Amino acid sequence: ELKVEQNPLFLSMQEGKNYTIYCNYSTTSDRLYWYRQDPGKSLESLFVLLSNGAVKQEGRLMASLDTKARLSTLHITAAVHDLSATYFCAVVNRDDKIIFGKGTRLHILP
Amino acid sequence: DVKVTQSSRYLVKRTGEKVFLECVQDMDHENMFWYRQDPGLGLRLIYFSYDVKMKEKGDIPEGYSVSREKKERFSLILESASTNQTSMYLCASIGSRYNEQFFGPGTRLTVL
Repeated sequence: ELKVEQNPLFLSMQEGKNYTIYCNYSTTSDRLYWYRQDPGKSLESLFVLLSNGAVKQEGRLMASLDTKARLSTLHITAAVHDLSATYFCAVVNRDDKIIFGKGTRLHILP
Repeated sequence: DVKVTQSSRYLVKRTGEKVFLECVQDMDHENMFWYRQDPGLGLRLIYFSYDVKMKEKGDIPEGYSVSREKKERFSLILESASTNQTSMYLCASIGSRYNEQFFGPGTRLTVL
C-alpha cells in the first residue's frame, strides 16, 4: 500500500530564508505532484514530476524527484510572505490512484 | 478559463437526507476523482472513475456512491447523510497521460 509522508507538517520561517519540504513515498512511482492550497480555497497545481532526476522551477519554488530514493523535495528560495500556504505532494500508485501527503503548512513571517 | 466546477460552494443538510454533489470538467479528461479534506487528515480519496460508467473505490468509500453517466460529469452521492460526513469535498480530473491534475473549488458540506 502506497504511503506518502511529508515533513515538516508545519513550518514557520522568516522572509528571505531558504528552506526545503520533503516528500517520501513507500512504493515505486514515476509520477509526483506538488500543490498549493490557500485557506478556504481549493488546490492549485504547482509541479508535475514524471521522471527520475526531474527538476522544475517556478519563481522561488523548485521541485525535484529522486525515484530511486522515493523522495521529492520542494525548495523555497528567499521566502516571501505571499508563499504562505499549505503545500501538498501526491503520488500515483500502481492502480492509478493519486495518494496525498498530509500537507505542510508554511507560515512566512514578514 | 473554467476547468472543473462543482455545483455548490456551501451546503447544509440534515442527518438522513440524500445529498448529491456534482462535478463537471470541460477538458475531456478520462479520469475524475472525489476527495474529502479534513483537518489533520489531509485529502482522502473516496471514489474515482477512469471512464464513463466505470468507478473504483478509493480509501474511504463507505457511506458514498458515485455516478458517471457522461464523460464530463462525476457525481458523488451520500445516500443518507450523517454528521461525520461534514467535510470539504473536492473534485478533480486528469487526462489519460496523468499530467496536470485540476481541482474544482470545493464544496463545504455541513450535516446537522
